[in-house]
Amino acid sequence: GAVVSQHPSWVICKSGTSVKIECRSLDFQATTMFWYRQFPKQSLMLMATSNEGSKATYEQGVEKDKFLINHASLTLSTLTVTSAHPEDSSFYICSAPDRGQETQYFGPGTRLLVL
Amino acid sequence: EDQVTQSPEALRLQEGESSSLNCSYTVSGLRGLFWYRQDPGKGPEFLFTLYSAGEEKEKERLKATLTKKESFLHITAPKPEDSATYLCAVDTGRRALTFGSGTRLQVQP
Repeated sequence: GAVVSQHPSWVICKSGTSVKIECRSLDFQATTMFWYRQFPKQSLMLMATSNEGSKATYEQGVEKDKFLINHASLTLSTLTVTSAHPEDSSFYICSAPDRGQETQYFGPGTRLLVL
Repeated sequence: EDQVTQSPEALRLQEGESSSLNCSYTVSGLRGLFWYRQDPGKGPEFLFTLYSAGEEKEKERLKATLTKKESFLHITAPKPEDSATYLCAVDTGRRALTFGSGTRLQVQP
């Protein structure tokens, strides 16, 4: 199946700093990617849709100025958590649909811990 | 509002003891229903996509079925390596997925 990678796999930062997470589709192009967040023992919740060449669309309750998304190319989307606070600590996972959009492949996730 | 409900929340089986996981959904329009497996600390791993009522798909010890209101993931003669959280999700045309809360499966040797 298609491969989606994320970098870094985990990050620890101080409160108030910004953290950038990369999501790459390794063997296919993705005009759209999705960012999810997963808190411990909970399921995945959609945060935003990343669109190549246009602005991201955010789910209700997700602050677009705090979670900056840039879809720089057909294989790369980045999520920047600005001025991170402890409540932003979570598992961030991206996904990308394959060409036929029949299947969405997920990255391995990025564990963020804000101290 | 689209809703996906999975049951049971947790399931403990003995090796070889077959069972089924349930995913019921209430959506405005179903484009596809997905099953994923998620191991602790990892991203979801794709298992199946089902599109219409009556459809069935199989992979090794797993078989997924779909009706107009629910989907089942049948696990036949499970092994300890099948232990994971199984997630059900729906695509209602947005392409983004709405997930259920998952079923944590533990298979004991």
